[in-house]
Amino acid sequence: EDQVTQSPEALRLQEGESSSLNCSYTVSGLRGLFWYRQDPGKGPEFLFTLYSAGEEKEKERLKATLTKKESFLHITAPKPEDSATYLCAVHPSTSGTYKYIFGTGTRLKVLA
Amino acid sequence: DAGVIQSPRHEVTEMGQEVTLRCKPISGHNSLFWYRQTMMRGLELLIYFNNNVPIDDSGMPEDRFSAKMPNASFSTLKIQPSEPRDSAVYFCASRQGEQPQHFGDGTRLSIL
Repeated sequence: EDQVTQSPEALRLQEGESSSLNCSYTVSGLRGLFWYRQDPGKGPEFLFTLYSAGEEKEKERLKATLTKKESFLHITAPKPEDSATYLCAVHPSTSGTYKYIFGTGTRLKVLA
Repeated sequence: DAGVIQSPRHEVTEMGQEVTLRCKPISGHNSLFWYRQTMMRGLELLIYFNNNVPIDDSGMPEDRFSAKMPNASFSTLKIQPSEPRDSAVYFCASRQGEQPQHFGDGTRLSIL
């Protein structure tokens, strides 16, 4: 069964304290892996798409990486405005063109 | 560009009432998704439309749930009759081709 697991469930960091969020997945084939940011009371906001092992994408203080079993979202020198829930989703190649499987997210809190 | 627009943002109603949630996808997007988000189960796909045609409604929990997409710029999700366990945040997302899904800000539904 296709599955996505995110860890940790929650993370508290001091401003400037770098860390990584993990997304482990089990799928029969991967068409793509997506990272989203979700603020309270808002919908998920698209951050990155990764397609193949070894690929990396960066945006400001965020960098996403991908291996054959997991993806990491690295946060370098975070600021309080980076506080949000970060969701990972995989698009299995067996699901046709549309179905994403979402993890339950990591709630990040960055303290000033 | 306007994003995905959902209404209402909040809905509180009594058990047994009919609830209708509305979604306007991003112009030019040919796929539309309805999701339900809860703390316990995260984001769950309810139904997927492609070019206004329902392709996969296997995630619709019961016959009390129905969805329509009468044209490319409008979709509804209806619950009749509503029950307290339907309380959740309902999201609509759209995309063009195989681009990432873009989400609205959701409808927070409370059934008393």
